[in-house]
Amino acid sequence: NSKVIQTPRYLVKGQGQKAKMRCIPEKGHPVVFWYQQNKNNEFKFLINFQNQEVLQQIDMTEKRFSAECPSNSPCSLEIQSSEAGDSALYLCASSLSVLGGRDTLYFGAGTRLSVL
Amino acid sequence: GEQVEQRPPHLSVREGDSAVITCTYTDPNSYYFFWYKQEPGASLQLLMKVFSSTEINEGQGFTVLLNKKDKRLSLNLTAAHPGDSAAYFCAVTPNNNNAPRFGAGTKLTVKP
Repeated sequence: NSKVIQTPRYLVKGQGQKAKMRCIPEKGHPVVFWYQQNKNNEFKFLINFQNQEVLQQIDMTEKRFSAECPSNSPCSLEIQSSEAGDSALYLCASSLSVLGGRDTLYFGAGTRLSVL
Repeated sequence: GEQVEQRPPHLSVREGDSAVITCTYTDPNSYYFFWYKQEPGASLQLLMKVFSSTEINEGQGFTVLLNKKDKRLSLNLTAAHPGDSAAYFCAVTPNNNNAPRFGAGTKLTVKP
């Protein structure tokens, strides 16, 4: 069973509404990733953190998406103004290594966002 | 950036048959490669991690081959059984300071 906890499992929003999802990484993992998985199962990397600092993020994330991993609180990913194209499964993963690219990712079950 | 293409998207085999899933990638400097398995209703779990220095990697009931010249990574289940039915995803890290890029997955069905 995954030790990465994502909430909520399902999220339904209207276009233009905010959508916020949370992730508790596996204990002791300093690196957190967010991926978007579309209906064709294609993964898109969104952003990753080392502790509270952003390591990398894609352009899409910089505009309508915001994310944070505050100390002693769940990480979160928020879409400021949801669009139909944002409907997807949002996967959070955590990693032990500060060089996340070489270490195993431990995934949560995901938050499935539907934007009506 | 790194592009990862995975084939086939769906694969159906009989129990005892082999099943081969292949990923190709674009960045010749990629160094870390992963196969993840996702059983129905569960999250992705690591199947195997390989480094670019190792061409053949043996697991329990499967083999992972890395061909750096052709930039191809393959997963070969040697004698599939129904418990292998799942979605399989490859992931490639362009270098050790980047997030892994994933293939679009292969849904494997193993029929008794």
